[in-house]
Amino acid sequence: GAVVSQHPSWVICKSGTSVKIECRSLDFQATTMFWYRQFPKQSLMLMATSNEGSKATYEQGVEKDKFLINHASLTLSTLTVTSAHPEDSSFYICSARVGIAYGYTFGSGTRLTVV
Amino acid sequence: TQLLEQSPQFLSIQEGENLTVYCNSSSVFSSLQWYRQEPGEGPVLLVTVVTGGEVKKLKRLTFQFGDARKDSSLHITAAQPGDTGLYLCAGLEYGNKLVFGAGTILRVKS
Repeated sequence: GAVVSQHPSWVICKSGTSVKIECRSLDFQATTMFWYRQFPKQSLMLMATSNEGSKATYEQGVEKDKFLINHASLTLSTLTVTSAHPEDSSFYICSARVGIAYGYTFGSGTRLTVV
Repeated sequence: TQLLEQSPQFLSIQEGENLTVYCNSSSVFSSLQWYRQEPGEGPVLLVTVVTGGEVKKLKRLTFQFGDARKDSSLHITAAQPGDTGLYLCAGLEYGNKLVFGAGTILRVKS
């Protein structure tokens, strides 16, 4: 089945530094990938839609200069949290759609802790 | 963005009991999906329902899509501790965007 690989699975960084999260589609091409943020015991909130070869579309209230998204190839999208602060600590998840029958395939998520 | 209301938010039951989780919206979705998520992992797709009135069964799980494609339910029969997790409904808006409900935390006690 379609697999989305997300890396790293967890990261701890110092306040003010930047962190890059990678999302790869392993056995299919994903022209569109989605980035979500999830707080403990809460649902997923869509942050942005990543489109291969073009600029990402950000949801209302999401700072595009803080959450940089790059989708340079059909199998890789990256999310960079710039100048991270403790309030950016969260669980970040990427996903890609694999047709109607398979729904959306999600990465395993990245637990970001900013200290 | 369309909204999906999911209920209940939390459910704690004994092994062997039945339960139903509801997902409602005032808007129509092209399809609706149910996911299960374990702590520290991404959601895993359980089922996709596309046709109004559709009923799908996955072992002890029964999924139903409302006739008007605005609501859905997940029914679990004879729940087991292994069913414990976060259940999420998600509606696919026309335009490829997936909208999630608030989620239901299910705990099945043995």
